[in-house]
Amino acid sequence: GAGVSQSPRYKVTKRGQDVALRCDPISGHVSLYWYRQALGQGPEFLTYFNYEAQQDKSGLPNDRFSAERPEGSISTLTIQRTEQRDSAMYRCASSLATGPQYFGPGTRLLVL
Amino acid sequence: QKEVEQNSGPLSVPEGAIASLNCTYSDRGSQSFFWYRQYSGKSPELIMFIYSNGDKEDGRFTAQLNKASQYVSLLIRDSQPSDSATYLCAVNTGFQKLVFGTGTRLLVSP
Repeated sequence: GAGVSQSPRYKVTKRGQDVALRCDPISGHVSLYWYRQALGQGPEFLTYFNYEAQQDKSGLPNDRFSAERPEGSISTLTIQRTEQRDSAMYRCASSLATGPQYFGPGTRLLVL
Repeated sequence: QKEVEQNSGPLSVPEGAIASLNCTYSDRGSQSFFWYRQYSGKSPELIMFIYSNGDKEDGRFTAQLNKASQYVSLLIRDSQPSDSATYLCAVNTGFQKLVFGTGTRLLVSP
């Protein structure tokens, strides 16, 4: 596709539910990144993949958060047993290997 | 000390003036540096990146890097009201992940 796409764009869920956020990177981009952005702050790194391999998950807040990219293209960020503090904008970016990162439109998650 | 620091602003400049946005970083091993523009409610948009000391120009934008001083700046010449946005500085410390500053809000008045 022309750019990074993310779905859903908005997700409202109840506390305790699991959510799955999807990212489809720019075609040909081997690296995919997940960030979380709070209002008035810059994006905060969560995890990234080169092809299907998760290279760094040091930014995942706790073990309720996980991510996968099984075929080296689309990635899913899963949050289990959501809590209100998980409410934020979740952003995905992709790049050619170590090149500049291009962001998608984000998924706004609201946990009630 | 935050890893990447920016003045939150707002930085107010009149139309046609030069806007100067600054960023300092703490990790001397940082290898590449990026400026993103983020309009309210939108996603960050890459506008410049720089890897080597010195200046890099692209249209009305100039990125400046001084690794000895651990300082990156972005100059916007002939500022336009459409340049009003938050500008995020991001640093790659060598492990592919980007560390972002909190952003500087720029207001360009007609």
